[in-house]
Amino acid sequence: DAGVTQSPTHLIKTRGQQVTLRCSPKSGHDTVSWYQQALGQGPQFIFQYYEEEERQRGNFPDRFSGHQFPNYSSELNVNALLLGDSALYLCASIVWGSWANEQFFGPGTRLTVL
Amino acid sequence: AQKITQTQPGMFVQEKEAVTLDCTYDTSDQSYGLFWYKQPSSGEMIFLIYQGSYDEQNATEGRYSLNFQKARKSANLVISASQLGDSAMYFCAMRTGGFKTIFGAGTRLFVKA
Repeated sequence: DAGVTQSPTHLIKTRGQQVTLRCSPKSGHDTVSWYQQALGQGPQFIFQYYEEEERQRGNFPDRFSGHQFPNYSSELNVNALLLGDSALYLCASIVWGSWANEQFFGPGTRLTVL
Repeated sequence: AQKITQTQPGMFVQEKEAVTLDCTYDTSDQSYGLFWYKQPSSGEMIFLIYQGSYDEQNATEGRYSLNFQKARKSANLVISASQLGDSAMYFCAMRTGGFKTIFGAGTRLFVKA
């Protein structure tokens, strides 16, 4: 049973560029959430996708956008990268409606913006 | 506003001893869930334990137990018989309606041999 997978593992970009991160949820899960974790801080919720729609969103600018595909996998897109976007980006999955259960996290994508 | 507070940036514990990591939370919701995660240096978030707001008994999972005091809005994690492999960052988190999860700033635990 494959867990949550994310790609790429590491990424280096320059300011102003655009980046796309990818996530495949755990088998049987249909809801994907994205988190940003800056160095030395706790993860911050970016948004959540279910049925290919954004269901909840945290306090992030419109430069952060996402997509969910029919197979439940998801992408996180960040436009006009800033130095402050350097962080570990975590994807988590769960079954919609089972919110009392644990969500499973992927290993993360470490983004460095130069 | 919903908030998680972890006031211990770093903690030291001797191997085989117990340690308590503090967590307080703030929410006006009646129904919520509290979680603890471990994050080793590799970065992956590992689920440890869950406590629902309506659960009357404290949750336990092996060496982990959650000391839930609802009136005080605290959800401290107790790790018994610490092991060297317990050295990591520990995050307290809260989930209310939907799946938005709020995390605290974390506590770095160092286990000494």
